[in-house]
Amino acid sequence: ETGVTQSPTHLIKTRGQQVTLRCSSQSGHNTVSWYQQALGQGPQFIFQYYREEENGRGNFPPRFSGLQFPNYSSELNVNALELDDSALYLCASSLWSQETQYFGPGTRLLVL
Amino acid sequence: QKEVEQDPGPLSVPEGAIVSLNCTYSNSAFQYFMWYRQYSRKGPELLMYTYSSGNKEDGRFTAQVDKSSKYISLFIRDSQPSDSATYLCAMSPAPGGGADGLTFGKGTHLIIQP
Repeated sequence: ETGVTQSPTHLIKTRGQQVTLRCSSQSGHNTVSWYQQALGQGPQFIFQYYREEENGRGNFPPRFSGLQFPNYSSELNVNALELDDSALYLCASSLWSQETQYFGPGTRLLVL
Repeated sequence: QKEVEQDPGPLSVPEGAIVSLNCTYSNSAFQYFMWYRQYSRKGPELLMYTYSSGNKEDGRFTAQVDKSSKYISLFIRDSQPSDSATYLCAMSPAPGGGADGLTFGKGTHLIIQP
């Protein structure tokens, strides 16, 4: 059984650019959630995908968007990058209505 | 007032000590409570999960939930230097976070001194 994987591990972008982050769910999991973790803070919920549709969303603007694919892998897209978007982006997978989420290692994004 | 309050520390204790980590929360809808451990520059690793009030023990770790006080705790017995990490509490009103996701505390940075 493979765990949650994310790519790339690190990324540097400039303000105004667009970025796509990728996540592969743990084997057997059908739900993916994305979180943003700024330095020294706890993770903040961005959104959750189930059956290829957004199931819920935190307090993030529309320039944060996502996709879930039939194999349950997922993408997080961020447009018009801002300096404050610099953070660790975490993907978590679970079975729908399962009590717990399992996190990947994250992608560290730096916006200059 | 944040929904989940957690002292960021750092908390430094000698090896072998009992460690107590705590979070308070304001949202009475929270029913599912988790503790995650996060090593530097890594993703959070699930340690303990508890539903509603009560205690749960797993090896050296004990999680407690007191919903009447809106207070949760994680105890680590016989602490080891390898326990040095940031400990995040997380909670949600629905299993798996649901449409609102998990709400996290800021994390407590724990240092176990050899």
